[in-house]
Amino acid sequence: DQQVKQNSPSLSVQEGRISILNCDYTNSMFDYFLWYKKYPAEGPTFLISISSIKDKNEDGRFTVFLNKSAKHLSLHIVPSQPGDSAVYFCAASEYGGSQGNLIFGKGTKLSVKP
Amino acid sequence: GAGVSQTPSNKVTEKGKYVELRCDPISGHTALYWYRQSLGQGPEFLIYFQGTGAADDSGLPNDRFFAVRPEGSVSTLKIQRTERGDSAVYLCASSLTVEGHSYTFGSGTRLTVV
Repeated sequence: DQQVKQNSPSLSVQEGRISILNCDYTNSMFDYFLWYKKYPAEGPTFLISISSIKDKNEDGRFTVFLNKSAKHLSLHIVPSQPGDSAVYFCAASEYGGSQGNLIFGKGTKLSVKP
Repeated sequence: GAGVSQTPSNKVTEKGKYVELRCDPISGHTALYWYRQSLGQGPEFLIYFQGTGAADDSGLPNDRFFAVRPEGSVSTLKIQRTERGDSAVYLCASSLTVEGHSYTFGSGTRLTVV
């Protein structure tokens, strides 16, 4: 049973527009969430994280929003660039970021077209 | 080294054979993690080390899987009596401490059991 769900396997966006990647979770004990980006033949790269005590965290073009009541988070990329084309994984932890066990979603493949 | 190094990058083995996968973490990183990524799935936690000891091995699927980190640096993931279902990309990651989860992944070892 998937505790972290990314229901869109793929997303295509025009360069310069906003990309919105969504993630839902079922475990109410999750209190720390992360997004990783993965290019082909490389390992995932950490992008941005958010603690459950916040509802928004921003880092440059990347913003993560957390809606605890809906058990939903989203990653916004503005403006999208062709180099953002990759697979994006949502991940969650129930240890407040203090232990190693992360639960990942299946990923969403983002394609940003020039 | 500059990043997390995993060897070999590819490994093809026959069903029933024994394999060892090696991970060289970033120098000075005390925490080391092993994940497995099957086709179309997100990374799945296997085990993590804090120093030389396995702090959490709850993700190891069965007793055919074992991992060591004898000197608190290099780690080896060992799989006995391999099965076709073990075919996956095995990812290693390391971090300075266990907090935060913004760890650095290696490029992985693609294991194919034929």
